[in-house]
Amino acid sequence: QKEVEQNSGPLSVPEGAIASLNCTYSDRGSQSFFWYRQYSGKSPELIMFIYSNGDKEDGRFTAQLNKASQYVSLLIRDSQPSDSATYLCAAISGGYQKVTFGIGTKLQVIP
Amino acid sequence: DTGVSQNPRHKITKRGQNVTFRCDPISEHNRLYWYRQTLGQGPEFLTYFQNEAQLEKSRLLSDRFSAERPKGSFSTLEIQRTEQGDSAMYLCASTSGAETQYFGPGTRLLVL
Repeated sequence: QKEVEQNSGPLSVPEGAIASLNCTYSDRGSQSFFWYRQYSGKSPELIMFIYSNGDKEDGRFTAQLNKASQYVSLLIRDSQPSDSATYLCAAISGGYQKVTFGIGTKLQVIP
Repeated sequence: DTGVSQNPRHKITKRGQNVTFRCDPISEHNRLYWYRQTLGQGPEFLTYFQNEAQLEKSRLLSDRFSAERPKGSFSTLEIQRTEQGDSAMYLCASTSGAETQYFGPGTRLLVL
């Protein structure tokens, strides 16, 4: 069982809609969680991180964390075609801060 | 630009050859990570340095792989006797310990 699970997609949403990306994790010792965006052929780019239960908002992005359910999500409001990319969920744990990534969800925003 | 840099950006080699990649982290970052990413997968952790000390090494890293970080600055990842299964993007990331890791552009390796 992978430690961080994501649906590979693709998730298709129309331009202007809300995209909802989900992630579950198995290691209850995970401390912090990250969402990275990765365009094809490029390296991951940090979107947001969250470590407390609840919501964290940054512009059009909202990260949600529920440690009891071991669930992390990312909402993208007013989705734009430029948001089309793969979104990687990552969890950090352990003394050396090992980061475990999910497989990534491919998002397609349709104009 | 003071971000993480990696060289070369692309490497094509024949099976059995040795290759070496370099990563220059953000200057004040003391932690450095190497990851490998294959098509359709997320990055997989390979190894971690805090300053010059290699503190963790994944079981993914066979004895053909070695990494160093002399003087706690840049790092090198060497693959000996490359195999076609080594073809992947090799990513380096650094952090100051504030958890957020910043990735370099990656080195794409193709083993023929």
